[in-house]
Amino acid sequence: ETGVTQTPRHLVMGMTNKKSLKCEQHLGHNAMYWYKQSAKKPLELMFVYNFKEQTENNSVPSRFSPECPNSSHLFLHLHTLQPEDSALYLCASSPEPGQGYNEQFFGPGTRLTVL
Amino acid sequence: GQNIDQPTEMTATEGAIVQINCTYQTSGFNGLFWYQQHAGEAPTFLSYNVLDGLEEKGRFSSFLSRSKGYSYLLLKELQMKDSASYLCAVMDSNYQLIWGAGTKLIIKP
Repeated sequence: ETGVTQTPRHLVMGMTNKKSLKCEQHLGHNAMYWYKQSAKKPLELMFVYNFKEQTENNSVPSRFSPECPNSSHLFLHLHTLQPEDSALYLCASSPEPGQGYNEQFFGPGTRLTVL
Repeated sequence: GQNIDQPTEMTATEGAIVQINCTYQTSGFNGLFWYQQHAGEAPTFLSYNVLDGLEEKGRFSSFLSRSKGYSYLLLKELQMKDSASYLCAVMDSNYQLIWGAGTKLIIKP
């Protein structure tokens, strides 16, 4: 595997379910990100991890819970979601945080539908 | 507040040239990125500008004017595969990316 992978690619869940999204990067990067992408809206940064430590939490509801066990893996745990949480969830990684030229590499995303 | 503006949708003809504009107002500036995103796929990096001027990379060029808070992405010799969304993003003073909503480019034969 190369680049950034995400599983599952598609997920349908009820509002009372608990599920997890997984992201893995094979690039040796030190920063990982979760984004939410809704139709016709800008990418919304949810969480940032630098060297496994969470450095950003952009006012994300507690029903979204991130976990970063090591610099290659990132999870997003979901519980009691709302229909408005339906979106494409993108994971990204970048080499070094805190630098200008810090290209982010994206995974293919998980298309989440909350019924 | 921080804001990135770009047109929602543009249409162009195969073989032609198209310019996608992006204006920004951010807290600080540490560079501007352009990404391409095909439907149902991951965004992929196209270009990075931090100094004023034009950066050329094959059929794609990106321009930046920091004093005007303005950038454009120029696509030449358009091909059908260029049909995609083009995302403009600015890195602010905290080194976080602020994203535009993207411009959907439709290429017609």
